[in-house]
Amino acid sequence: DTEVTQTPKHLVMGMTNKKSLKCEQHMGHRAMYWYKQKAKKPPELMFVYSYEKLSINESVPSRFSPECPNSSLLNLHLHALQPEDSALYLCASSQELGGVSSPLHFGNGTRLTVT
Amino acid sequence: DQQVKQNSPSLSVQEGRISILNCDYTNSMFDYFLWYKKYPAEGPTFLISISSIKDKNEDGRFTVFLNKSAKHLSLHIVPSQPGDSAVYFCAASAFDPPPLYGGSQGNLIFGKGTKLSVKP
Repeated sequence: DTEVTQTPKHLVMGMTNKKSLKCEQHMGHRAMYWYKQKAKKPPELMFVYSYEKLSINESVPSRFSPECPNSSLLNLHLHALQPEDSALYLCASSQELGGVSSPLHFGNGTRLTVT
Repeated sequence: DQQVKQNSPSLSVQEGRISILNCDYTNSMFDYFLWYKKYPAEGPTFLISISSIKDKNEDGRFTVFLNKSAKHLSLHIVPSQPGDSAVYFCAASAFDPPPLYGGSQGNLIFGKGTKLSVKP
């Protein structure tokens, strides 16, 4: 069982749709992350929140909009996506941002298909 | 330009034997290294880590070795079990700027992964 819960597990959306990916953790972690993983590629960082504030945005297109409503929740709002955005979207959390005793804990991901 | 390289896409080992997964890096500023295991349809799971002040860290059947001069680390699994069959990702990060200047740990850079198959 993963301690980071992501919903939905699968999502199919059209290029004109608006949808949201959700992530939840109750480990008291103060840093939360969105990663994108394409097939046979390593996870790539998209956004990092630390204490509910956006700390890192890895030059992600504005059609991806993160939101951290509280310390346990992280959302990724999707709008006007392209087929090449189809990927596995992984949420992760860590006790703090960085530090040798703060490994990331990943959720199982949302498999997104854009048609 | 890959900063973290796992040159073996796959590895097959007999149950009970040792599995050795290798990882090379190019950025000499990396000071924290991790291994993650990933089963299909699941997110990566943290396995073991090592900081650059050590050359070995052991946790049960898993041992990570770090050779800073060669910019190389390896994960040893002894004895290997069929349940160890998964994709293993090596990851590295660096403080940016250095801690002396109040830096925080930077982005975690992942290798492409090595698929380990442990045969009964």
